[in-house]
Amino acid sequence: EAQVTQNPRYLITVTGKKLTVTCSQNMNHEYMSWYRQDPGLGLRQIYYSMNVEVTDKGDVPEGYKVSRKEKRNFPLILESPSPNQTSLYFCASSDREGEKLFFGSGTQLSVL
Amino acid sequence: GESVGLHLPTLSVQEGDNSIINCAYSNSASDYFIWYKQESGKGPQFIIDIRSNMDKRQGQRVTVLLNKTVKHLSLQIAATQPGDSAVYFCAENMASGSGGSNYKLTFGKGTLLTVNP
Repeated sequence: EAQVTQNPRYLITVTGKKLTVTCSQNMNHEYMSWYRQDPGLGLRQIYYSMNVEVTDKGDVPEGYKVSRKEKRNFPLILESPSPNQTSLYFCASSDREGEKLFFGSGTQLSVL
Repeated sequence: GESVGLHLPTLSVQEGDNSIINCAYSNSASDYFIWYKQESGKGPQFIIDIRSNMDKRQGQRVTVLLNKTVKHLSLQIAATQPGDSAVYFCAENMASGSGGSNYKLTFGKGTLLTVNP
């Protein structure tokens, strides 16, 4: 089944404790992206990747890092999480930028 | 639809009625549009898309209408069912980057559809 898989689904952590949210897609998509979704603000892009070893900032990149060492994986890294990063995070992928995105099931992150 | 503060625009319909959800997009150069459905606790799910060379496209129980003159997109759901209750939002591919040579999807904030049995 074609899908985007992200883990974990739920994560509670404390300020400053590094964490990684994993994302994997099995559709051989070149484009992958991370979003955060907050009430009243909709989906905002954090980082995206056009292909392996090619990543770029989205609209709200501060406090986040990503890597794209393999085509299928696109982990999101929070080196020093802060409470304002408490949010619902989605990973997504598509054939190319600007085309139909397939989303993962989301990761609800709480930073205490 | 645009949200006001923390509250999404809401549409409440009776089961079996038709629903129409509207979206105003911002860029006249956008040439591809998508509707997504997001149920509580789940990721956005693709419903239907349309390119700017069309003004109407139909799927199973859903129709998307595109009015480029007024930059308006609508999603019509026929015979709405309780399982259709969700947040619906539109996306447009807007030019990004220097020179506007790249396009990326930009999302509206959504409309909450509630279907009453």
